[in-house]
Amino acid sequence: DAGVIQSPRHEVTEMGQEVTLRCKPISGHNSLFWYRQTMMRGLELLIYFNNNVPIDDSGMPEDRFSAKMPNASFSTLKIQPSEPRDSAVYFCASSSTVDTSSSGELFFGEGSRLTVL
Amino acid sequence: GEDVEQSLFLSVREGDSSVINCTYTDSSSTYLYWYKQEPGAGLQLLTYIFSNMDMKQDQRLTVLLNKKDKHLSLRIADTQTGDSAIYFCADSTSGTYKYIFGTGTRLKVLA
Repeated sequence: DAGVIQSPRHEVTEMGQEVTLRCKPISGHNSLFWYRQTMMRGLELLIYFNNNVPIDDSGMPEDRFSAKMPNASFSTLKIQPSEPRDSAVYFCASSSTVDTSSSGELFFGEGSRLTVL
Repeated sequence: GEDVEQSLFLSVREGDSSVINCTYTDSSSTYLYWYKQEPGAGLQLLTYIFSNMDMKQDQRLTVLLNKKDKHLSLRIADTQTGDSAIYFCADSTSGTYKYIFGTGTRLKVLA
């Protein structure tokens, strides 16, 4: 399996522009998470999907952030308009909650490093 | 809310043992994890321990869990320069999606 695939790996944009980050989870995984990592705040959960349905979006910072999961193999995280304080590494992770004997391991993508100037 | 705490930095010499410590607050934690993050990469599961266990050994890695004190540690024997990374402690509760991550401990291995 190719693992969780994220794109782009790096994005540099100007304040006010729209940013779209993409994620392809591991095939067969039914849970998908978007995390943000910064030096100041560490890893923050932004949103959690289960079976393509958003279950918890309480970590989404504000209305400028939105996430979708139109099918089991694709999710997007959109920031519009972007601001310098959105600069961070954004991780997508997936897991399988179907197998109750599993440890619940999260499989992370390599992240999308966003810089907003 | 629930919390997981770790020290920020650890420096050891190559060949020595490293011990990374973590404390957590959630008494209903089912699994406790150690993830490793290398520069420019995502987090990768190193090992985990079920909450009814005291110890787990996996090659150079030893995990100790003191459930009474809510203390978890990761010992890396014969630490190598390739072990230099950030190590995250995390916990989760069975039946929920909530994973609580610590701030990460940056391990630096000196040659």
